[in-house]
Amino acid sequence: GENVEQHPSTLSVQEGDSAVIKCTYSDSASNYFPWYKQELGKGPQLIIDIRSNVGEKKDQRIAVTLNKTAKHFSLHITETQPEDSAVYFCAASLYGQNFVFGPGTRLSVLP
Amino acid sequence: DTGVSQDPRHKITKRGQNVTFRCDPISEHNRLYWYRQTLGQGPEFLTYFQNEAQLEKSRLLSDRFSAERPKGSFSTLEIQRTEQGDSAMYLCASTLPGDGYTFGSGTRLTVV
Repeated sequence: GENVEQHPSTLSVQEGDSAVIKCTYSDSASNYFPWYKQELGKGPQLIIDIRSNVGEKKDQRIAVTLNKTAKHFSLHITETQPEDSAVYFCAASLYGQNFVFGPGTRLSVLP
Repeated sequence: DTGVSQDPRHKITKRGQNVTFRCDPISEHNRLYWYRQTLGQGPEFLTYFQNEAQLEKSRLLSDRFSAERPKGSFSTLEIQRTEQGDSAMYLCASTLPGDGYTFGSGTRLTVV
């Protein structure tokens, strides 16, 4: 079955700097890759996603890149703000079914 | 529609007791998922429904766990004879096929 690895497990950046989180997946058939942000005591919230027919997608300060050959995808957050502090999860799936999540990255944005 | 609702938010139970959680999905979503999340880990798939049909169950879902989605609307997850290892956050999500999940806020279960 699918296995998703995520690095780093913790990340601290200064406010205004960029943050990058990387994930790798094992099943080459996976074709949908969402990213979720989880704040303390809340459920994960979808922040951006990418499908396998696209190499990059941007939404304001957030971007995701996908390298199908290498089976990895990355989340890029620019101009980080304190409210970006949270745990971020990547996931992989086939046609949006039964997401397999990575272990998470705890991002701290220091003022 | 205000999103996915889960009830209760927190549940403390004694080992050996039965517990039941409820999830109300977004009304137009026909798929409903249950995930379990332990501290410091990503959510792990338990089971999912398309309308009222339960289409897949994870090996994580032992015989003590049962889920239902009568009439394809709300869903319940029951855990019988709870064990301390069942302590976790139980997350419900709903979606349309091919889209990202919308998660609820979860039910945090503590078994003492």
